[in-house]
Amino acid sequence: DQQVKQNSPSLSVQEGRISILNCDYTNSMFDYFLWYKKYPAEGPTFLISISSIKDKNEDGRFTVFLNKSAKHLSLHIVPSQPGDSAVYFCAASPYNNAGNMLTFGGGTRLMVKP
Amino acid sequence: DAGITQSPRHKVTETGTPVTLRCHQTENHRYMYWYRQDPGHGLRLIHYSYGVKDTDKGEVSDGYSVSRSKTEDFLLTLESATSSQTSVYFCATRAGNYGYTFGSGTRLTVV
Repeated sequence: DQQVKQNSPSLSVQEGRISILNCDYTNSMFDYFLWYKKYPAEGPTFLISISSIKDKNEDGRFTVFLNKSAKHLSLHIVPSQPGDSAVYFCAASPYNNAGNMLTFGGGTRLMVKP
Repeated sequence: DAGITQSPRHKVTETGTPVTLRCHQTENHRYMYWYRQDPGHGLRLIHYSYGVKDTDKGEVSDGYSVSRSKTEDFLLTLESATSSQTSVYFCATRAGNYGYTFGSGTRLTVV
């Protein structure tokens, strides 16, 4: 059973509009959440993170929202740019995991049209 | 950038042959991980290491073994490759925070 789920395999938005990528999790022990971005033929790169003590974290055009009661987080990209076209992975980790292993969702492919 | 190098970048091998993938890091990070990426499954943990000679299994460890004889090198071995192990393999390291830094991946095809 997948503990981290990204139910939308793909998303297409127009340049300049908002992109909203969603992620749901089932493990109540998850305490730290991250988003990674992956371009073809490259490894994933860290984008933004949020701790469970917060409900929002913002970094430039990227904002992550966390709703602990719903076990749901979302990544907002405003405004979307063609260079944002990539696969986005949501990941989660329990705070007290010594190795801080990340559990990843299945990914959402974002396509931003010029 | 953690300076992670994966080799080879691409490999085609035959069913039943052994294959070893290498991950080399230059940042002296303690924790290292091997993941595989498959469509619809995202990234799944195969094995991880928390120090030299200290390794443990991940979610999808069957058919894989690992070794870490030096801090900088983490090897993933497929003892007898099967078609189900066709995938893209990523190595990652972790610094002092929760985030990972990933290598560029190895695309393995088992025919």
